[in-house]
Amino acid sequence: GAGVSQSPSNKVTEKGKDVELRCDPISGHTALYWYRQSLGQGLEFLIYFQGNSAPDKSGLPSDRFSAERTGGSVSTLTIQRTQQEDSAVYLCASSLATLGPQHFGDGTRLSIL
Amino acid sequence: GQQLNQSPQSMFIQEGEDVSMNCTSSSIFNTWLWYKQDPGEGPVLLIALYKAGELTSNGRLTAQFGITRKDSFLNISASIPSDVGIYFCAGQMNSGYSTLTFGKGTMLLVSP
Repeated sequence: GAGVSQSPSNKVTEKGKDVELRCDPISGHTALYWYRQSLGQGLEFLIYFQGNSAPDKSGLPSDRFSAERTGGSVSTLTIQRTQQEDSAVYLCASSLATLGPQHFGDGTRLSIL
Repeated sequence: GQQLNQSPQSMFIQEGEDVSMNCTSSSIFNTWLWYKQDPGEGPVLLIALYKAGELTSNGRLTAQFGITRKDSFLNISASIPSDVGIYFCAGQMNSGYSTLTFGKGTMLLVSP
């Protein structure tokens, strides 16, 4: 499809394991964002990529969280040594330009047992 | 950091009623956005507002960018069951670049 694609849609893993979440932005969108949505809460900004610029990592909650964006397109969010409080929906969004409206994927629902 | 206060937290209304929800901020935003999120899906953009005082409609939805740039409201007229979902406001600073700051959402339930 033409929208933002995220995989997997659901991920259940044991505490302490590492997880990788993938985001395919809309083709041609230069800006890519990761957010976290906990139950009943709004969206919490995690990290932002824009073209070849250094990413804004100011929202990452700990050094267990990292993200890459290869070739200016696909992005991977990695959570190392997962904790139960990491359980949430992780949403990716992309926009055509820095100030353009953001379009969201359907998210990855992460559950840590 | 910036915080958005969105109210009400939830609404339970009858089909055909009009709905109003709003967001206020302690900081000035230069862009206000309204999103709707259905269960198991990502937020979908409803309306984007770029100018203070702007009033924009999208079908039965109307949103306004407050003149102080610290608030916005969303109205839904003649609600229907498919309006059910969580509505989020989001503000963007536009200072070179900026991410979105989201409200905590308004859950809307519509009774047929």
